[in-house]
Amino acid sequence: GAGVSQSPSNKVTEKGKDVELRCDPISGHTALYWYRQRLGQGLEFLIYFQGNSAPDKSGLPSDRFSAERTGESVSTLTIQRTQQEDSAVYLCASSPGLGFEQYFGPGTRLTVT
Amino acid sequence: SQQGEEDPQALSIQEGENATMNCSYKTSINNLQWYRQNSGRGLVHLILIRSNEREKHSGRLRVTLDTSKKSSSLLITASRAADTASYFCAPIYNQGGKLIFGQGTELSVKP
Repeated sequence: GAGVSQSPSNKVTEKGKDVELRCDPISGHTALYWYRQRLGQGLEFLIYFQGNSAPDKSGLPSDRFSAERTGESVSTLTIQRTQQEDSAVYLCASSPGLGFEQYFGPGTRLTVT
Repeated sequence: SQQGEEDPQALSIQEGENATMNCSYKTSINNLQWYRQNSGRGLVHLILIRSNEREKHSGRLRVTLDTSKKSSSLLITASRAADTASYFCAPIYNQGGKLIFGQGTELSVKP
């Protein structure tokens, strides 16, 4: 089917507001990953989900960040009380399983003013 | 460090030439993956090579893996301007498959 989709593609928000980013993975992919990429920097792992297992949250930078996934479908990444340092492109990827190749969405560009 | 280290950091070639970039890593892997990132097409998976494989081909791409030296190479043959991008290797350990990129190799293919 279609590739990984993310929405919104761009989000501008004021400091202190909450934002919710959405990821629709490829159908049938059991693994879903969230990454962050700040301008001019590398990929930073945030969290992954695999089936019904407990997610690996080891990359979340603070308790302002949280993510959920419903079964093996949509995932949302929520950032509460956004800060300027949260400005980045947030990338979602899905995979047939842990350790397999990952298919990336186009990303959500978040700008916190 | 769990990330792969790509070499060279930058590579500039003419269209039609071959491009070779290398990756080194530190500990035993499950597999190693190569990705490409450019502004037009985002981050794209190129090829995955398993730890028990030595060479793999995909179109104009050839990847080798030497687990004894903990290194991999990516060869792009007959390069095109559209190959201009940053290339990253991702050694995959038994930790959920999360990608940890190094600085990458920035490839510029001049028409």
